[in-house]
Amino acid sequence: EAGVAQSPRYKIIEKRQSVAFWCNPISGHATLYWYQQILGQGPKLLIQFQNNGVVDDSQLPKDRFSAERLKGVDSTLKIQPAKLEDSAVYLCASSFTGPDTQYFGPGTRLTVL
Amino acid sequence: RKEVEQDPGPFNVPEGATVAFNCTYSNSASQSFFWYRQDCRKEPKLLMSVYSSGNEDGRFTAQLNRASQYISLLIRDSKLSDSATYLCVVTHTNAGKSTFGDGTTLTVKP
Repeated sequence: EAGVAQSPRYKIIEKRQSVAFWCNPISGHATLYWYQQILGQGPKLLIQFQNNGVVDDSQLPKDRFSAERLKGVDSTLKIQPAKLEDSAVYLCASSFTGPDTQYFGPGTRLTVL
Repeated sequence: RKEVEQDPGPFNVPEGATVAFNCTYSNSASQSFFWYRQDCRKEPKLLMSVYSSGNEDGRFTAQLNRASQYISLLIRDSKLSDSATYLCVVTHTNAGKSTFGDGTTLTVKP
């Protein structure tokens, strides 16, 4: 079974630039999560989708972050404009249904200079 | 106060030692509990779910105390390969939202 795919794996940008991350969940998984993990901390949930609807985006900085999951499969997370404090690993995870085992992708390591 | 708090680390133990981690949560409506393992520069992976009756998987034992709102993870006969960060996860089943702790780092030394 293929795992969660993410791209790119690494990204370096300057502050105020834009960046987008892509995630392809495990086939058949209805729930998709985007997390931000800052060094030394646990993953922080940014947004959770159930199929193509948003379940929770309470911690998503909506003035600069946006996410979509068209057709209930792939998802993109965008940051515009980026700030220095956005430097982190962005993890995508999926689960068969909400409160279930989450399977994580390898993450995208973002550095904002 | 953080919604999920874990023992501050790091834990440095010799091979063969028994080590225990605790995790407390503040939301009494929390319904599902998990321990994930995260190796350095890797993604988190499920170690085990935590059931009300407690559960054991080989050298690993997880327990839940709803009254005191904490979960624990016990590792017996530590191996070098157990070196990792252990993340406590609490899920509000109705809302479906998962909250991760900041993790406890374990280093097992020869």
